[in-house]
Amino acid sequence: SQKIEQNSEALNIQEGKTATLTCNYTNYSPAYLQWYRQDPGRGPVFLLLIRENEKEKRKERLKVTFDTTLKQSLFHITASQPADSATYLCALYTGGFKTIFGAGTRLFVKA
Amino acid sequence: EAQVTQNPRYLITVTGKKLTVTCSQNMNHEYMSWYRQDPGLGLRQIYYSMNVEVTDKGDVPEGYKVSRKEKRNFPLILESPSPNQTSLYFCASGHREGVDTQYFGPGTRLTVL
Repeated sequence: SQKIEQNSEALNIQEGKTATLTCNYTNYSPAYLQWYRQDPGRGPVFLLLIRENEKEKRKERLKVTFDTTLKQSLFHITASQPADSATYLCALYTGGFKTIFGAGTRLFVKA
Repeated sequence: EAQVTQNPRYLITVTGKKLTVTCSQNMNHEYMSWYRQDPGLGLRQIYYSMNVEVTDKGDVPEGYKVSRKEKRNFPLILESPSPNQTSLYFCASGHREGVDTQYFGPGTRLTVL
């Protein structure tokens, strides 16, 4: 069956360190992959998109990699801050105007 | 301000009582979609619309209806709600080309007793 997996366990890191979140998928050939941030009680907010022919994308302290052979994307937040604490969702656009979301990984950054 | 709005934000109802959750966007987006979010399951797509009068089923359409009579509005209708439709609902919109970025509303928390 088609699946997207993100670390179900929360990730706890110290302020200033790099947070790395993982998104693995099976049985898809996505045209592109997106990362969203979701704060409690609020809707997801788009962060970054990476296309299947791109290996890496950066935006300020954020970096996303996309390995279509491993079927994996890594999302990095460098110099993390307590304000980065949130749930991060991985999403795949699979064509036909459909997007599949992972369940998300909760990140806690301690001061 | 560019935004997606949903109403109501919170709703408690009883089994079988028809309800409508409204969604409106002011960004002139062609694409709109409804999702439900449940703990451990993530966002699951209910219905989506590529343009006015064009809608299609997502992954979990059973028990829901939608309509797209105007570009800016995409209401979600529950004709006969059941307790298993208790969830957090999000409306989203985006440009048609590739649907590469979706803008989400604030969510509607629905409880069906």
